Amino acid sequence: EIVMTQSPATLSVSPGERATLSCRASQSVSSNLAWYQQKPGQAPRLLIYGASTRATGIPARFSGSGSGTEFTLTISSLQSEDFAVYYCQQYNNWPPEYTFGPGTKVDIK
Amino acid sequence: QVTLRESGPALVKPTQTLTLTCTFSGFSLSTSGMCVSWVRQPPGKALEWLALIDWDDDKYYSTSLKTRLTISKDTSKNQVVLTMTNMDPVDTATYYCARTKWELPELLFDYWGQGTLVTVSS
Repeated sequence: EIVMTQSPATLSVSPGERATLSCRASQSVSSNLAWYQQKPGQAPRLLIYGASTRATGIPARFSGSGSGTEFTLTISSLQSEDFAVYYCQQYNNWPPEYTFGPGTKVDIK
Repeated sequence: QVTLRESGPALVKPTQTLTLTCTFSGFSLSTSGMCVSWVRQPPGKALEWLALIDWDDDKYYSTSLKTRLTISKDTSKNQVVLTMTNMDPVDTATYYCARTKWELPELLFDYWGQGTLVTVSS
């Protein structure tokens, strides 16, 4: 099983600042990596797939990078609506075993 | 407009079997590349992928739970059903269904239901 880790567990950021979230896979997942945003009481929302492609309707301030085992989600200028938990997920396995990371909570500094 | 909605019991007893239904609209599970997945989330914890069924009726399960899970579809009703046997309090979680779409080589979990909280308690 591919194990996903995320750091930091919590990131305190002021509105307007840049946030950088990290995700690591225990073995290479190529670029088969997605990022999700989840707010309290809501379902996850797909932000990024293919490590760097924004999903439909996702603002340009969200960007993803990386390949292999190291990935980054960057939020260029935090807006109030961006304070949430962010999960990475790999979908590289065959047969499928689509593991998620433990999440990074982005809260207000 | 794509929507998904989970339904099922809010409370089950230990050792019972859980049956959840995902009713969806806005896409067809008979279209090539279309799938539906189930994902769960214990309170305050991370997401866990459980199972996927694809347009060709191929089924895939989490390795750790595969002996307890069964996923099936009724294309005419636009429904996907997940059963989980031998429920335990550690299975208490919000259960989500999500449209899962192959856009090779990518796999998009692009639309999610609101989730249904299932509590396992005697």
